Amino acid sequence: GQQVMQIPQYQHVQEGEDFTTYCNSSTTLSNIQWYKQRPGGHPVFLIQLVKSGEVKKQKRLTFQFGEAKKNSSLHITATQTTDVGTYFCAGSRGNEKLTFGTGTRLTIIP
Amino acid sequence: DTEVTQTPKHLVMGMTNKKSLKCEQHMGHRAMYWYKQKAKKPPELMFVYSYEKLSINESVPSRFSPECPNSSLLNLHLHALQPEDSALYLCASSQDALYTDTQYFGPGTRLTVL
Repeated sequence: GQQVMQIPQYQHVQEGEDFTTYCNSSTTLSNIQWYKQRPGGHPVFLIQLVKSGEVKKQKRLTFQFGEAKKNSSLHITATQTTDVGTYFCAGSRGNEKLTFGTGTRLTIIP
Repeated sequence: DTEVTQTPKHLVMGMTNKKSLKCEQHMGHRAMYWYKQKAKKPPELMFVYSYEKLSINESVPSRFSPECPNSSLLNLHLHALQPEDSALYLCASSQDALYTDTQYFGPGTRLTVL
């Protein structure tokens, strides 16, 4: 079955530092979505990427979809305490279900 | 209104109890989902309803029984659960059951089975 791995599993950064999480799929994806889950909260949709090599920005967040559509990344510039949480990528292939990645838990040191 | 609501927020039940989780959305979405999430793990898909019909059952044990009374409501009936079923149960909805659709998650029900 489809597997989606994320690295790193955990990341502790000083407030103001940058952060990147990488998402790798065992198969080519038709689309990838990113979700953020705050501690004690539920997943909240951030963005969807569908095109090979696509790059999208949301304020301090930059999302990329790889050329081969098997990997993706999320980069946060100048982290803030509000960025704390677990970031999940989720991909699907054709008509198959959305498979969530293993997640990267971000903590910020003030 | 982009909200999915779930009740109750917390539930503690014994292994012989019968209880139900409820989920509601008023976004006109035609697909609704149940996920199970263990601590520090990603959500795992359990069931998908599309146009009020069960379209996917991810080999979930029969002690979990979903029900979709109408297009806005989704229930999960629980019976004879095991302690390992303790988890956060998340409901989600999307416009259609296309996996390119954004899924909107509810706040979840935190279930503890004693």
